[in-house]
Amino acid sequence: GQQLNQSPQSMFIQEGEDVSMNCTSSSIFNTWLWYKQEPGEGPVLLIALYKAGELTSNGRLTAQFGITRKDSFLNISASIPSDVGIYFCAGQRTSGSRLTFGEGTQLTVNP
Amino acid sequence: DGGITQSPKYLFRKEGQNVTLSCEQNLNHDAMYWYRQDPGQGLRLIYYSQIVNDFQKGDIAEGYSVSREKKESFPLTVTSAQKNPTAFYLCVTQQGLNQPQHFGDGTRLSIL
Repeated sequence: GQQLNQSPQSMFIQEGEDVSMNCTSSSIFNTWLWYKQEPGEGPVLLIALYKAGELTSNGRLTAQFGITRKDSFLNISASIPSDVGIYFCAGQRTSGSRLTFGEGTQLTVNP
Repeated sequence: DGGITQSPKYLFRKEGQNVTLSCEQNLNHDAMYWYRQDPGQGLRLIYYSQIVNDFQKGDIAEGYSVSREKKESFPLTVTSAQKNPTAFYLCVTQQGLNQPQHFGDGTRLSIL
């Protein structure tokens, strides 16, 4: 099945820095979701986006649904050590259809 | 996520053995999914079910089987035909149209 192109694959940053990651696709999605996964746990939903151009925040996290509906971005401001984990994007073409996942961005934050 | 229970957390399989992973939800969600996650890789869809007594194959269904006899339960059987079963298995539910998917805490399956 198709995977989304998620980048970067990994990031090593200092505490306090801002982080950006993105997902792109060759086809249109009508819903974009961002998840965070910590070791040994299932992914947890961070932000859900339902409209092209939508910009949504959740604390220090901000995500955008690209105008073309083929991409999405996640930004984390002022990173802290507990931001460490793997971040996944997921796209959904139509309501009720299955998700297509990116391969994840491994984030490491050095204190 | 609360309301989705996967068990066991860790499971070991002997060669030639079938094992069943449990997924139970009390969220009254219609749709349930099974994903497999391998180290350093994204999630791949094994099977999914949008209503009771109905399910469809995902991208990597070979060597797996499921049932959906009750809305609350969607067990996944890893059969002996699955030659590389070692992975992290995630059960997911979805309430309905335009609703995000919610994940269980996963089961890690290893070969003895």
